[in-house]
Amino acid sequence: SQQGEEDPQALSIQEGENATMNCSYKTSINNLQWYRQNSGRGLVHLILIRSNEREKHSGRLRVTLDTSKKSSSLLITASRAADTASYFCATGEIQGAQKLVFGQGTRLTINP
Amino acid sequence: DAGITQSPRHKVTETGTPVTLRCHQTENHRYMYWYRQDPGHGLRLIHYSYGVKDTDKGEVSDGYSVSRSKTEDFLLTLESATSSQTSVYFCAISERDRETQYFGPGTRLLVL
Repeated sequence: SQQGEEDPQALSIQEGENATMNCSYKTSINNLQWYRQNSGRGLVHLILIRSNEREKHSGRLRVTLDTSKKSSSLLITASRAADTASYFCATGEIQGAQKLVFGQGTRLTINP
Repeated sequence: DAGITQSPRHKVTETGTPVTLRCHQTENHRYMYWYRQDPGHGLRLIHYSYGVKDTDKGEVSDGYSVSRSKTEDFLLTLESATSSQTSVYFCAISERDRETQYFGPGTRLLVL
């Protein structure tokens, strides 16, 4: 079963605007990761945030983690057409097997 | 794609035939994973390996088997292909348990 649930399932914004995607999960985690997938390609790792961290930045990406609410958000600032992709969160569970659990993704479209 | 190749990249086969997909890495990572990706289901784990000859099942393992006789190769076999196994298959590798995964380019499989 999927642990991470992304919200919204699809998001369409204008170039230059900020895009925010959310991920909720159910069990205690060691870390939470965000990946991007361009159409027809494999997933690409964007950022990893550990359970003892609250916020992390990487370029135009900002990830927050609230373990009390079991949720995370990914903010992409000053969006570009090249940011059009699907975005997935994935969790590494503390008690789980040696694997990540992926959500179903948010489809982001940046309109020129 | 971080030293990961998948072969074949595209395959069309008939129901009832065996099919083997290959994942090859040059990173010497310990962990290797096979996923399938289908519309509406996101990314689902089929099998994974945590070392040579050490494998375990994922959430959708029925009808699939795997083997890992060398660190660099992880084979996925569909014992008797069915139309429900038409999908895009991704291999991923990871250096550490539940940490960043690097994905291959994918194999598109069509079972007629």
